[in-house]
Amino acid sequence: DGGITQSPKYLFRKEGQNVTLSCEQNLNHDAMYWYRQDPGQGLRLIYYSQIVNDFQKGDIAEGYSVSREKKESFPLTVTSAQKNPTAFYLCASTVQGTGGQPQHFGDGTRLSIL
Amino acid sequence: DAKTTQPNSMESNEEEPVHLPCNHSTISGTDYIHWYRQLPSQGPEYVIHGLTSNVNNRMASLAIAEDRKSSTLILHRATLRDAAVYYCILSPLNNAGNMLTFGGGTRLMVKP
Repeated sequence: DGGITQSPKYLFRKEGQNVTLSCEQNLNHDAMYWYRQDPGQGLRLIYYSQIVNDFQKGDIAEGYSVSREKKESFPLTVTSAQKNPTAFYLCASTVQGTGGQPQHFGDGTRLSIL
Repeated sequence: DAKTTQPNSMESNEEEPVHLPCNHSTISGTDYIHWYRQLPSQGPEYVIHGLTSNVNNRMASLAIAEDRKSSTLILHRATLRDAAVYYCILSPLNNAGNMLTFGGGTRLMVKP
């Protein structure tokens, strides 16, 4: 079945540590996205990529970094500069195109501070 | 960017129809209306989208007002599995990055 796989499902970070969240898709989608969701809130865009080796900052990119070396993969690194990283992180993808294209989401990674 | 307004929460009885409203009074002529839902501890799931005409699919129906300033997501027979947060989102036709802006959504509770 085609879809988006996020791993791990739960992740714990120590103070001063960088952690990397994985996102893989086998939908042959060009565009991929990372969102952050805090309890009781909607999703906020961290980074997005429309093509391999290219990505743009979203609304809350500070303290995060990404790479897009392969079409199928879009890992997110939460750096030590992100002072409040505890949240639910969601990855999504879509075919490249106009605003009429739906996004497909993974099941998320829940990150907590030790 | 055009914004949407939704009630914070709604309640429904199982097996009854549910009408989830969304106001988007500043919508432009080329904004698509998208609906997603998010079950607890899961990623959002695409439900339906439309531009001007009403739309139906296996999950729901989307009724769009003639002036496009509001829309309604219709679940024809609510089940307990439909309990989720429902998001109404506008996405411009020329949205090359296809970015979505999520608001707070409507939390739907379904009573057995």
